[in-house]
Amino acid sequence: EVQLVESGGGLVKPGGSLGLSCQASGLTFSNAWMSWVRQAPGKGLEWVGRIKSKTAGGTTDYGEPVKGRFTISRDDSKTTLYLQMNSLKIEDTAVYYCTIDWGAAGLGYWGQGTLVTVSS
Amino acid sequence: EIVLTQSPDFQSVTPREKVTITCRASQSVGTNLHWYQQKPDQSPKLLIKYASQSLSGVPSTFSGSGSGTDFTLTITSLEAEDAATYYCHQSSSLPLTFGGGTKVEIK
Repeated sequence: EVQLVESGGGLVKPGGSLGLSCQASGLTFSNAWMSWVRQAPGKGLEWVGRIKSKTAGGTTDYGEPVKGRFTISRDDSKTTLYLQMNSLKIEDTAVYYCTIDWGAAGLGYWGQGTLVTVSS
Repeated sequence: EIVLTQSPDFQSVTPREKVTITCRASQSVGTNLHWYQQKPDQSPKLLIKYASQSLSGVPSTFSGSGSGTDFTLTITSLEAEDAATYYCHQSSSLPLTFGGGTKVEIK
């Protein structure tokens, strides 16, 4: 059974930094493309960014609102995905979901999410 | 960026009634259009991929259709457990985008 477990959420001040982790199990993680998706309270879904598998180049892509501030990385030996968030803004407040990105076939599995609150 | 416009935003439906949700893309996405169900306080779940392919375990009452710019999610006979918000999503080009969601409530 595929499981994705996010951690690291919490309260941070505007301009601060926070790192999220996503522990994956039940799949060959090194072959998986992974995406982060966020959902502001009471709002819809917004794609944050993606990292491809190393065999596909290991490259990253980001949505415009987070480009230059957020960094996605992975440690295949630990089957863990990361999201480093810097220069946080109030509008980054959201539940952040880790997903398995099936490329053209959509986002196949989602974690339970972790809440990030940016507030002074 | 491809914009996905869902309608309606909200629908209140009697059990066993048919539900139709539409998703229109600002440019063609082929069949790279997918549907998710998000129940209250849960994470989204992929229901239908490539516009019309149901995932394993999805009730047969759910179906999707369309290609290009116009897509439809149909629930042929609504059950109480189908109360949720439904989102369309395109994977045709980056950035990946989602529709604004359709909340389906049981009357």
